[in-house]
Amino acid sequence: DTAVSQTPKYLVTQMGNDKSIKCEQNLGHDTMYWYKQDSKKFLKIMFSYNNKELIINETVPNRFSPKSPDKAHLNLHINSLELGDSAVYFCASSRDRAPYGYTFGSGTRLTVV
Amino acid sequence: EDKVVQSPLSLVVHEGDTVTLNCSYEVTNFRSLLWYKQEKKAPTFLFMLTSSGIEKKSGRLSSILDKKELFSILNITATQTGDSAIYLCAASSGGGSEKLVFGKGTKLTVNP
Repeated sequence: DTAVSQTPKYLVTQMGNDKSIKCEQNLGHDTMYWYKQDSKKFLKIMFSYNNKELIINETVPNRFSPKSPDKAHLNLHINSLELGDSAVYFCASSRDRAPYGYTFGSGTRLTVV
Repeated sequence: EDKVVQSPLSLVVHEGDTVTLNCSYEVTNFRSLLWYKQEKKAPTFLFMLTSSGIEKKSGRLSSILDKKELFSILNITATQTGDSAIYLCAASSGGGSEKLVFGKGTKLTVNP
């Protein structure tokens, strides 16, 4: 029943590892996003995909690579994890790139040790 | 660079008080101003404002946008402990690649 679901909810890993976070939405939306929320609760966009096409790519290290196999899924792969990558990562989706239809997932808390 | 500034960053009040949260923005191709409430997990949508001077209300919450002065306020009357949360303001920056630019949030604590 969950509209936007992310897995895992929690992820603890060591520096230098590679990890992936998955996101799926069942709302029929055609645009999906990844946002990062740091320890100060500042929420900032990382990527946006519309119908599997990358449309927003903010200044994010190359170690972060999004992949959208279809418009209902947007995964985030992170290589060579660093301490500064620790944050909560939120997936979101909307219809027609419109912000008023945003639905957020419940977040993935990533802790790099 | 696009930016959204919220004030105050934190606020502690007693139940029954009225609070006003502020949000100013500077974004290219501004489309709309949104307010979200974030408790423990995902932000939940409160309001979207696109026109100046038209107040939107939902129960004890209301919000208004001033596109000339580039700011918005969120009012909460007769606050309750359940209103304790982080309130996020976001400006929609358009131009074909819509994105939300968020402020740092106002942490509201309502004490009994």
